Amino acid sequence: EIVLTQSPDFQSVAPKERVTITCRASQTIGSSLHWYQQKPGQSPKLLVRYASQSFSGAPSRFSGSGSGTDFTLTIKSLEAEDAATYYCHQSGSLPFTFGGGTKVEIK
Amino acid sequence: EVQLVESGGGSVQPGGSLTLSCAASGFTFTNHWMVWVRQGPGKGLVWVSRIKSDGAITTYADSVKGRFTVSRDNAKNILYLQMNSLRVEDTAVYYCARESISEDFDYWGQGTLVTVSS
Repeated sequence: EIVLTQSPDFQSVAPKERVTITCRASQTIGSSLHWYQQKPGQSPKLLVRYASQSFSGAPSRFSGSGSGTDFTLTIKSLEAEDAATYYCHQSGSLPFTFGGGTKVEIK
Repeated sequence: EVQLVESGGGSVQPGGSLTLSCAASGFTFTNHWMVWVRQGPGKGLVWVSRIKSDGAITTYADSVKGRFTVSRDNAKNILYLQMNSLRVEDTAVYYCARESISEDFDYWGQGTLVTVSS
């Protein structure tokens, strides 16, 4: 099973600041890495697919990069509505797995 | 508009059974693999199961293999998860989601809560 390790677990960031979340895979997965946002009490929403492709409807301030084992989700300029937990997910091999999540708080 | 609506959650004793449903609309159901993902209280997301568009292939997480069965009715656009021999650790919100061609989960339902407790 491929283990995804996200860091940090928690981040408190002021509005308009840049946020960087990393996801490291225990084995190479090419670009089969996707990012989701989950706000409290809501279901997850897809932000980025295949490491760097923005999902339709996701705000342009969200972007993804990386390949192989190391991936990054960047929020260019944090807004209040971005307070949420962010998860990476790999579809490179079964069983599909998720990272442990990164909670982003607005300072 | 893509919609996924889960139902069937509830409280059950350990060892009991429950069947979840997910009604799909707004897209061609027969074109997509579908998945179940769960989230324990205050915990992260865990992939549970996957079923091919025609129902011919199913895959499960080791933690539920032999106890859960995923199926679908393509005539009714409904996805199911039959859960047997439930354990306390199966307590979670269960989400159905649509799997895209990129194998990401591009649309999710609102979730249904399953509580296993004596």
